[in-house]
Amino acid sequence: DTAVSQTPKYLVTQMGNDKSIKCEQNLGHDTMYWYKQDSKKFLKIMFSYNNKELIINETVPNRFSPKSPDKAHLNLHINSLELGDSAVYFCASSPWTGGNTEAFFGQGTRLTVV
Amino acid sequence: AQTVTQSQPEMSVQEAETVTLSCTYDTSESDYYLFWYKQPPSRQMILVIRQEAYKQQNATENRFSVNFQKAAKSFSLKISDSQLGDAAMYFCAQGSGGYQKVTFGTGTKLQVIP
Repeated sequence: DTAVSQTPKYLVTQMGNDKSIKCEQNLGHDTMYWYKQDSKKFLKIMFSYNNKELIINETVPNRFSPKSPDKAHLNLHINSLELGDSAVYFCASSPWTGGNTEAFFGQGTRLTVV
Repeated sequence: AQTVTQSQPEMSVQEAETVTLSCTYDTSESDYYLFWYKQPPSRQMILVIRQEAYKQQNATENRFSVNFQKAAKSFSLKISDSQLGDAAMYFCAQGSGGYQKVTFGTGTKLQVIP
């Protein structure tokens, strides 16, 4: 019954590897996001998709590539992982409305690059 | 550009007492909304309370209430009758525009002392 689910919850990998994080929402929302939370707990948006279309793409290295096969899924693929990529990555979703809304978050994926 | 500032990195409160967490923001948008999210050690981001900017009345949710001062661009969170389960990181956030882009503050770590 989890509204926004991410897999895996924990990911430990070596520098240079390629990894993916999956996200699925069962809320029927049109908009999905990826956020990065660094070691100082600062939460920053990376990408936003609406109905499988990229809407927001903040300054993120092009090693990060989001993929949205359908509006219920937004996966994050990271190439050539670096130590600085270590962080908690949150997927979120929200309804497509022009006014008041809120983002529903997944439980986060703690990525550790060694 | 939107900015959200939380000037208190850490706060502590005695159980059953009241604590207020501060937040200021800056935006050029006229239509926007504000949130407080809670992040306990489990990492899950949980919406605590939200406020539409056009509403003058301060939002309340049980023991949680806000003091929204639109002219001062201030949005503080008051927690009454603090409980041990309230211990968490609290993030102030602001969103606006049709893409629901939400900007988060840097968070305040709340400790509840038994």
